[in-house]
Amino acid sequence: ILNVEQSPQSLHVQEGDSTNFTCSFPSSNFYALHWYRWETAKSPEALFVMTLNGDEKKKGRISATLNTKEGYSYLYIKGSQPEDSATYLCAWHGSSNTGKLIFGQGTTLQVKP
Amino acid sequence: EAEVAQSPRYKITEKSQAVAFWCDPISGHATLYWYRQILGQGPELLVQFQDESVVDDSQLPKDRFSAERLKGVDSTLKIQPAELGDSAMYLCASSLMTDYGYTFGSGTRLTVV
Repeated sequence: ILNVEQSPQSLHVQEGDSTNFTCSFPSSNFYALHWYRWETAKSPEALFVMTLNGDEKKKGRISATLNTKEGYSYLYIKGSQPEDSATYLCAWHGSSNTGKLIFGQGTTLQVKP
Repeated sequence: EAEVAQSPRYKITEKSQAVAFWCDPISGHATLYWYRQILGQGPELLVQFQDESVVDDSQLPKDRFSAERLKGVDSTLKIQPAELGDSAMYLCASSLMTDYGYTFGSGTRLTVV
């Protein structure tokens, strides 16, 4: 059974705090790791698609790293703002499937002003 | 910016009734996915289409669920009869190719009473 795990399940921080979440995934048959941000009442929005071991991607105050050998990715948010409040989903794309993503259960971030 | 359209946004139905959801992907996206997210879990693939062909429906409960994408454009997901355990968010997504990130619709929240 392919398992993608995210931690923590939820997180409450104050505005201005920096935070990070973890996604662990199968290291074998790896093709890509996706991160999505899902705000309440909106569509999940793609943040990053990462494919190479050691890859680092950045979008504004949000960045992500990838370790395919040990099967984990970190998502960092620097100086959290209330508008960062959302559920952050990671998803594993294996090399032997057809584009199907296996999602983690998500990390829900609440940023208090 | 192009969007994936889904309707309805919310649906309340009684158990044993039939219910249908509609999705219109981004124009030109050959791959279309239906995912189901039960509260507290990550989205799980129900069915994947490449153009009008089903690529993966291994997790679709075929005794009650059906999906079609007749002309390789929009798609309909049907449940008949609905059961209490079908209460979930049903997400549609499309991608240009199977190794690209997804673009999600805003989902249909189904409540079966």
